[in-house]
Amino acid sequence: KAGVTQTPRYLIKTRGQQVTLSCSPISGHRSVSWYQQTPGQGLQFLFEYFSETQRNKGNFPGRFSGRQFSNSRSEMNVSTLELGDSALYLCASSTGTSGTDTQYFGPGTRLTVL
Amino acid sequence: SQQGEEDPQALSIQEGENATMNCSYKTSINNLQWYRQNSGRGLVHLILIRSNEREKHSGRLRVTLDTSKKSSSLLITASRAADTASYFCATESLGGGSYIPTFGRGTSLIVHP
Repeated sequence: KAGVTQTPRYLIKTRGQQVTLSCSPISGHRSVSWYQQTPGQGLQFLFEYFSETQRNKGNFPGRFSGRQFSNSRSEMNVSTLELGDSALYLCASSTGTSGTDTQYFGPGTRLTVL
Repeated sequence: SQQGEEDPQALSIQEGENATMNCSYKTSINNLQWYRQNSGRGLVHLILIRSNEREKHSGRLRVTLDTSKKSSSLLITASRAADTASYFCATESLGGGSYIPTFGRGTSLIVHP
């Protein structure tokens, strides 16, 4: 089975721009979660999508949004980029049907905001 | 705020030695998971221990859980240079019908060959 893939792997943007990141989950997985990882704040949960619906949301401003398509692929969008948005963005997929689901992480997209 | 906090923040050992890292958390949990991350890449799931379990083994990994102390430990025996990575514990809180994992800041392990 192919693992979780994320595109692009690296991205450089300037303040004020917007960006869209993509995540393709493992085949058969219906849950996709997004995380932001920074040296200062560590790994923080952004949101989770399950069957095209946002099921959980972390404590991030509305500039961070996402969606999930019928094939379970997910996109995350950040509008009006700020310097502090520079981070590694990780997505993880799981079956989403159990409280003890194992999450499988993609390699991440490293976003640099200049 | 972080639910799980790992200790120590950094650990440097020689190949063949054992490495122990700890995780403390604040609220009741359903389960606790340990992950490994190499060089700023994606996380790899290592082991899950449920709240009613006290110890679990997987290869060279041994995880213990003490719910009365709200702490867990990860022991890597006979470490190898390839074990060099950051190790994170993740606890789960219920929200929106599914469990949201909350990660600690991690322990950075360096194993010298």
